[in-house]
Amino acid sequence: NAGVTQTPKFQVLKTGQSMTLQCAQDMNHEYMSWYRQDPGMGLRLIHYSVGAGITDQGEVPNGYNVSRSTTEDFPLRLLSAAPSQTSVYFCASSYGGRPLVGEQYFGPGTRLTVT
Amino acid sequence: GQQVMQIPQYQHVQEGEDFTTYCNSSTTLSNIQWYKQRPGGHPVFLIQLVKSGEVKKQKRLTFQFGEAKKNSSLHITATQTTDVGTYFCAGPRETSGSRLTFGEGTQLTVNP
Repeated sequence: NAGVTQTPKFQVLKTGQSMTLQCAQDMNHEYMSWYRQDPGMGLRLIHYSVGAGITDQGEVPNGYNVSRSTTEDFPLRLLSAAPSQTSVYFCASSYGGRPLVGEQYFGPGTRLTVT
Repeated sequence: GQQVMQIPQYQHVQEGEDFTTYCNSSTTLSNIQWYKQRPGGHPVFLIQLVKSGEVKKQKRLTFQFGEAKKNSSLHITATQTTDVGTYFCAGPRETSGSRLTFGEGTQLTVNP
């Protein structure tokens, strides 16, 4: 099993550009989520999904969209990049999510810089 | 909203010394999870505690979940250089189990 994969590893965007961060898992996990990690602020939940066709907002959803058309994939779209979105983005997946979210398996991360 | 706070933010120890990080939530948690992130890496799951007052051990690591399910601790006995990294606690709110909130983490450095 590849686990959780993320592409790209690194990305530089100009302000106003849009892009999609890809996330895929091959463990048949129902629950998937996106976090951003900024220095000294831990991991903040952007969006999550408890199953195909179901998504919900986390703590910091503004400026990001997600969709979950399949169990395996959970892409994160930046609509119009801003310097405040410079961060490391982690995708994670786990069994369950309803009613309790369990052990999270994290991808290797995408380091995004917006100039 | 729910807040999960960790202290200390940084801890520097000499190899062989003990280390403890504390996690406190503003709301009751259905479970508490602990993760370790090495520098430049991604968070890796360590353990999950579910029951009030639960204590679990993994070799030199001891994890506790408070009686009120609002706090937790991770204690490392006789630290080694391999323990270096940032330790995070995380918990879903009891009323909304699908949203996981992470603490800010405790960054541990170990001097050999």
